[in-house]
Amino acid sequence: DTEVTQTPKHLVMGMTNKKSLKCEQHMGHRAMYWYKQKAKKPPELMFVYSYEKLSINESVPSRFSPECPNSSLLNLHLHALQPEDSALYLCASRSTATNQETQYFGPGTRLLVL
Amino acid sequence: TQLLEQSPQFLSIQEGENLTVYCNSSSVFSSLQWYRQEPGEGPVLLVTVVTGGEVKKLKRLTFQFGDARKDSSLHITAAQPGDTGLYLCAGPPTDSWGKLQFGAGTQVVVTP
Repeated sequence: DTEVTQTPKHLVMGMTNKKSLKCEQHMGHRAMYWYKQKAKKPPELMFVYSYEKLSINESVPSRFSPECPNSSLLNLHLHALQPEDSALYLCASRSTATNQETQYFGPGTRLLVL
Repeated sequence: TQLLEQSPQFLSIQEGENLTVYCNSSSVFSSLQWYRQEPGEGPVLLVTVVTGGEVKKLKRLTFQFGDARKDSSLHITAAQPGDTGLYLCAGPPTDSWGKLQFGAGTQVVVTP
C-alpha cells in the first residue's frame, strides 16, 4: 500500500478565514512533506518533517503553519491567506528506512482564496 | 543547484504514435523518479531508476537511466488517450538531503 490521503479535496476560503488541510499515511514513513503547485508548474517545496520534527521550512510566510501530531498525520493550518495562495496543495511521504529518495504524493487539496 | 531539464515542454500526438520525453542534467543523481499527473490530482509515481544504464519497463512505458546517471528518458509505445498528462522527472540533489529537484514537466496530449 503506497497511499497518502488528503482532506478536503477542495476548499474555498475568504482572506479572514482559518482552515486546516490534513494528510495521512500508514506506510510507516517518517518523512512528510507539504508542497504548493500552480497550474502547469512542478510542485514547490514548502515544509519537510522528519521524525515528527520540522526539518526544512522553505521561507514560507507565517500565514501557513504546519503541524505533525504523530508519525502518520500532517496538518497545514491556514490563516489570513491571499488570493495568490490559491493553488493545489500536495502532501507527500518518504521512507527513512532505506536510502531511496522516492516520495509518494497524495491527491492534493485544491484551494481557492477569495 | 542541480537542475533537471525536461524536453520537450509540450507534446501533442495521435493515438497509436510513439513518444519520448527527456530529462537531462549536468550533475549526477543517485536516483531519478518519473511521475504522471492529471489536472487537479497529485503526481503518481511511475518508476524509480537507481542504477546507471538501467532500463525498466511498465507495460507500454520504457524508462532508461543514463550510464553516468545524469539523464533519463521515458518512451511510450503506441500512446493511448489515457497517457495524457503532465510527466515530471525528479531526483534528490546531493547537497540537499531529503529534497527532490523537479524538472519543469512535459505536457503530453494524446488525441483519439
